[in-house]
This record gives sequence, structure tokens and C-alpha cells, in this order.
Amino acid sequence: NAGVTQTPKFRVLKTGQSMTLLCAQDMNHEYMYWYRQDPGMGLRLIHYSVGEGTTAKGEVPDGYNVSRLKKQNFLLGLESAAPSQTSVYFCASSYSGRAGWNEQFFGPGTRLTVL
Amino acid sequence: GNSVTQMEGPVTLSEEAFLTINCTYTATGYPSLFWYVQYPGEGLQLLLKATKADDKGSNKGFEATYRKETTSFHLEKGSVQVSDSAVYFCALSDPGAGNMLTFGGGTRLMVKP
Repeated sequence: NAGVTQTPKFRVLKTGQSMTLLCAQDMNHEYMYWYRQDPGMGLRLIHYSVGEGTTAKGEVPDGYNVSRLKKQNFLLGLESAAPSQTSVYFCASSYSGRAGWNEQFFGPGTRLTVL
Repeated sequence: GNSVTQMEGPVTLSEEAFLTINCTYTATGYPSLFWYVQYPGEGLQLLLKATKADDKGSNKGFEATYRKETTSFHLEKGSVQVSDSAVYFCALSDPGAGNMLTFGGGTRLMVKP
């Protein structure tokens, strides 16, 4: 039982390049989330998904796209990377969104640097 | 909207000292409250939670009590260890906001032997 895994662990991009971050969970969770973590700002929600084939915007969605084609996977895409997207990205999942069932389990993070 | 405010760190303590990390919140609904811990190089892990007023969450010697009257959820531990060195995040989930988590900025704790 691997929990939540993220690929890659580190990446350096040049401005304007694109990339996709992969998140996978093996807990059969319905909900999945992408956050970014910046110093002193806690975690901010980028996008989330309440089930296979559905996605929704979070607090800071601009510049990112997501897809949830399979229940266990949640992809985060950057079409044209900008230095402001330099951050640590965390994926999380939860069984549901209902109170008492919404404990989130986090992956180890992806450190992205955009030059 | 919802928000969570934590004391700024870093907090530096000696081993066996008493720990308090303050957390206050604002919410439009009746939230559940959480403390998450992030060890160096890792993702966040749930430390404890409380779902209604006056509930006390506890785990690994850490405690926090949901205080509705002061909108607070302060984290405490009676005797910290070097292994407690980490970043601690207070968070809330509000049923009125789809139960999404809102995080505070995090407080780094450094425990010296």
C-alpha cells in the first residue's frame, strides 16, 4: 500500500516550457487535490476533483490545468511555465468530502523551479 | 471567507520544554479543525483533529481543544523531543465551503538537545 505517490520529485524548467505532474493513489479515494506550498503561505489549493472525470478550480487555478481520467490518477499540467510557478507541489486524496471522512493524505511533494 | 492564523516561527525550544503553538480561525460555517505536521522533506500528515466545540484532539502527546468562544485551536505538548522538530499547520474544513481545507501559514518548531 503505497498511499499517495508523486512523479517527478524534482524538476527544473525554463520559462515557457510545459510539463505534467502525476499523482497516483491506491486507497480508492474519491477526492483528489493539488496544492502549492510557498514560504510563509501555507498550502493553497490549485484544483481538486470529487470523482473520476470531474475537476474544479481551487483558490489559485490560473496557469494550471488538471485531468482525472482514472480514479486513481490526478494530473497537473503547466502549459507555459512562469517563474511565479516555482514552488513545491503537493497532491492529496481523501475518501470523501463529508465531515468525518475528509481526512486528506498527502504525497511527498514535487519541487519545481522555473528559470 | 475562511482564514486560519498561526503564530509565526520559528519556535526554538530545548528538549522537555512545554510547547504551545497558537491558532485562531474565522469561518462562515461550523468547521472541523485539524493540525497537520510536516517533517523535513516529506508531505503533510494528520496529527490530530476536532469536529465540534469543546472536543479535544490528541495524538503522540500533542493536544488541542476546539474553543468556539475564542475561535481557537492551540496546539500543546507537555515535553517536546528533538524528533518533534517539524513544521506544524493548523487547518479548517468548512461544510459551507465544500469541506475544502484552509491552511494557516505554518509554524516551524526546532527542538534542541
